[in-house]
Amino acid sequence: EAGVAQSPRYKIIEKRQSVAFWCNPISGHATLYWYQQILGQGPKLLIQFQNNGVVDDSQLPKDRFSAERLKGVDSTLKIQPAKLEDSAVYLCASRPPGVRWNEQFFGPGTRLTVL
Amino acid sequence: ELKVEQNPLFLSMQEGKNYTIYCNYSTTSDRLYWYRQDPGKSLESLFVLLSNGAVKQEGRLMASLDTKARLSTLHITAAVHDLSATYFCAVGGLTGGGNKLTFGTGTQLKVEL
Repeated sequence: EAGVAQSPRYKIIEKRQSVAFWCNPISGHATLYWYQQILGQGPKLLIQFQNNGVVDDSQLPKDRFSAERLKGVDSTLKIQPAKLEDSAVYLCASRPPGVRWNEQFFGPGTRLTVL
Repeated sequence: ELKVEQNPLFLSMQEGKNYTIYCNYSTTSDRLYWYRQDPGKSLESLFVLLSNGAVKQEGRLMASLDTKARLSTLHITAAVHDLSATYFCAVGGLTGGGNKLTFGTGTQLKVEL
């Protein structure tokens, strides 16, 4: 079974530029998550989708971050404009359907450096 | 706001020794997850604990959950170098449509040869 795919793996931009990350979850997984992991910290949830609807975006900085999941499969996370403090690894995860307590499966992440 | 604390943050141990990582959380939950992260890699699921008193074991790792004490432990038996990684616990909480994870700060484990 293919895992969660993310691209790009690395991205370096200057502050105030825009950037977008892409995620393709495991086939059949209706729930998709985006996390931000700052160096030396645990992942922090940014947004959760159920199919193509947003379930929780309470920790998403909506003035600069946006995310969408068209057609309930792939998802993109965008930052515009980026700040220095956005330097982090952005992880996408998906969860199997059925039992809500199933563990989440994580992708390899996109490491963003903002200069 | 849910707080999840792990200790120790850093752990250096010799091969063959035993040790325990502790995960404390601040609000009621009966869903606790343990993940492993190797440097530069993503998170790998280790254990899912879904009830008070749950205990799960895989190889040299054993995880347990005490929901009354709001405490989970990850016990390492006879450590080997391959266990060197960062270990995260995460507490499950309900959102409108599913399970929201709040992660601890992680425990960086180094097993010396």
